[in-house]
Amino acid sequence: DIQMTQSPSSVSASVGDRVTITCRASQDIGRWLAWHQQKPGEAPRLLISAASTLQRGVPSRFSGSGSGTDFTLTISSLQPEDFATYFCQQATSYPLTFGGGTKVE
Amino acid sequence: QITLKESGPTLVEPTQTLTLTCAFSGFSLDSSGVAVGWIRQTPGKALEWLAVIYWNDDKVYNPSLKTRLTITKDTSKNQVVLAMTNVNPVDTATYYCGNFPPWRNWFDSWGQGTLVTVSS
Repeated sequence: DIQMTQSPSSVSASVGDRVTITCRASQDIGRWLAWHQQKPGEAPRLLISAASTLQRGVPSRFSGSGSGTDFTLTISSLQPEDFATYFCQQATSYPLTFGGGTKVE
Repeated sequence: QITLKESGPTLVEPTQTLTLTCAFSGFSLDSSGVAVGWIRQTPGKALEWLAVIYWNDDKVYNPSLKTRLTITKDTSKNQVVLAMTNVNPVDTATYYCGNFPPWRNWFDSWGQGTLVTVSS
């Protein structure tokens, strides 16, 4: 199985801050990585696919980068609605696996 | 607009079989490359992928749970059903279904989730 390791597990930030979350895969996954956002009490929501493709309706302050084993999710200027938990997911092989999550608080 | 909604029991006794239904709209599971999958989220918040079924009826299961899972589809009803046998308290989780866009293996849209508690 491909292990996905996110860091940090939590980050304290303020509105307007730049926030960077990293995700490392245990083997090369190309660009087959997705980022999901989950707010308390809600289902996850796909933010970014293929490492850097923003989904429709996702604000441009979100960006994704990386390939191979190292990936980054960046929020350029944190907004109140961005306080949530973020998960990465590898989509290259089964079993599909997720990172442990990063809580932005 | 794609929507998915999970349904099933909220409380299941140990050793019983859990059956969950995912009702979806906004896409067809007859379309080439499309799939529907299940994930669960434990109270500790970790996400675990469970199973996926493709438009052509191919199925893939998480090896750690393969012997206990069965996924089926009813395209006429736009439903996917997941059955999990011999449940135990560690299966207590929120169960989500989601769709895969054609030829991709990420969850595109997610259902709202259904909390299942395994307890006697």
